[in-house]
Amino acid sequence: DTGVSQDPRHKITKRGQNVTFRCDPISEHNRLYWYRQTLGQGPEFLTYFQNEAQLEKSRLLSDRFSAERPKGSFSTLEIQRTEQGDSAMYLCASSWGPGNQPQHFGDGTRLSIL
Amino acid sequence: SQQGEEDPQALSIQEGENATMNCSYKTSINNLQWYRQNSGRGLVHLILIRSNEREKHSGRLRVTLDTSKKSSSLLITASRAADTASYFCATDVSNYKLTFGKGTLLTVNP
Repeated sequence: DTGVSQDPRHKITKRGQNVTFRCDPISEHNRLYWYRQTLGQGPEFLTYFQNEAQLEKSRLLSDRFSAERPKGSFSTLEIQRTEQGDSAMYLCASSWGPGNQPQHFGDGTRLSIL
Repeated sequence: SQQGEEDPQALSIQEGENATMNCSYKTSINNLQWYRQNSGRGLVHLILIRSNEREKHSGRLRVTLDTSKKSSSLLITASRAADTASYFCATDVSNYKLTFGKGTLLTVNP
């Protein structure tokens, strides 16, 4: 299967700890997106890369959050000093082209903060 | 903030019946997309309809778009138990960022 892959699928950690998630997009896709989804809500946009350049960050992405996409391939999302409110599903998606293309999502990483 | 709002929030039907979900949005869009999400899984892309299109079909799915009313509908015909999922509309105003509604939870009873 050559879909979007996310790791880990689940992460349980104590408040105050740092966590890092990884996303491997579909190989030929130049665009990569991170979204966050809480229970009963639709996904909310966090950030977007075109190749290795991070082109937009949502106001939801506080200074405790950082995302990278070195070499324009896989991406990592790090949350420092986690808080209870960070508990959510973190979804990664990728797409090809300049726009008007569907985004293909991974199965997400579910983060639970104790 | 939520750009698209799906209606109804929940829908329960019998297998074989048709299911219709609606989406309303607030600002001009480049395209509107429908996604399906099974519990605990990621989103699966169903259909993308561009702002200059009025209707698209894919298998048992039919999507309409009315830009004058800022609304869209998703019709699933001859529903199956496997169609049970949450369905989201997402609007694209920027050619990259999708804004999702809260979704419609569809239950298809065998």
